[in-house]
Amino acid sequence: GESVGLHLPTLSVQEGDNSIINCAYSNSASDYFIWYKQESGKGPQFIIDIRSNMDKRQGQRVTVLLNKTVKHLSLQIAATQPGDSAVYFCAENNYNQGGKLIFGQGTELSVKP
Amino acid sequence: GAGVSQTPSNKVTEKGKYVELRCDPISGHTALYWYRQSLGQGPEFLIYFQGTGAADDSGLPNDRFFAVRPEGSVSTLKIQRTERGDSAVYLCASSLAGGNEQFFGPGTRLTVL
Repeated sequence: GESVGLHLPTLSVQEGDNSIINCAYSNSASDYFIWYKQESGKGPQFIIDIRSNMDKRQGQRVTVLLNKTVKHLSLQIAATQPGDSAVYFCAENNYNQGGKLIFGQGTELSVKP
Repeated sequence: GAGVSQTPSNKVTEKGKYVELRCDPISGHTALYWYRQSLGQGPEFLIYFQGTGAADDSGLPNDRFFAVRPEGSVSTLKIQRTERGDSAVYLCASSLAGGNEQFFGPGTRLTVL
């Protein structure tokens, strides 16, 4: 069946270092991938997305890489700050399924000052 | 502008009772989604509305769960004969149309005693 999962459940980094959060997916038909950040007691917040016809997309301090050959997605955060501490989820979508998102389990990022 | 709002923020009920959870989407968003999130897990899709109609209700776990969106704006998730296993955070999201970026509300934490 379909699944989206993460390699690492927790990640601890020093403030100022770069962070890399990984995600594996199994549905090769997925068209669209999104990274969300979720702080305690809040709903997921959109960070960055990427379409399946791309392999890299950059935002402000964040970069998403998509490797369709091995069905792997990663989120890179540059110069990680204490405010980046949260749980990060990857999610996938198939246009044929409308807006339905399938989420992975999540990685908790902890930034040490 | 106002984001997605959900009420109540917390709901405690007894096993067997009926509950209603409300979602107010962003004005103008035609697509509305309900997800359920258990502790330590990613959100799990329940149902997706495009306008007033449920475009995909494949995620509803059983017939105790029902959702409506009579005027294409506010939505209510209804759970009958609640069970302890229904305890979770229920998240609502909206988007301009199906497949576009989804904006999440803060969620309703449901606890069934």
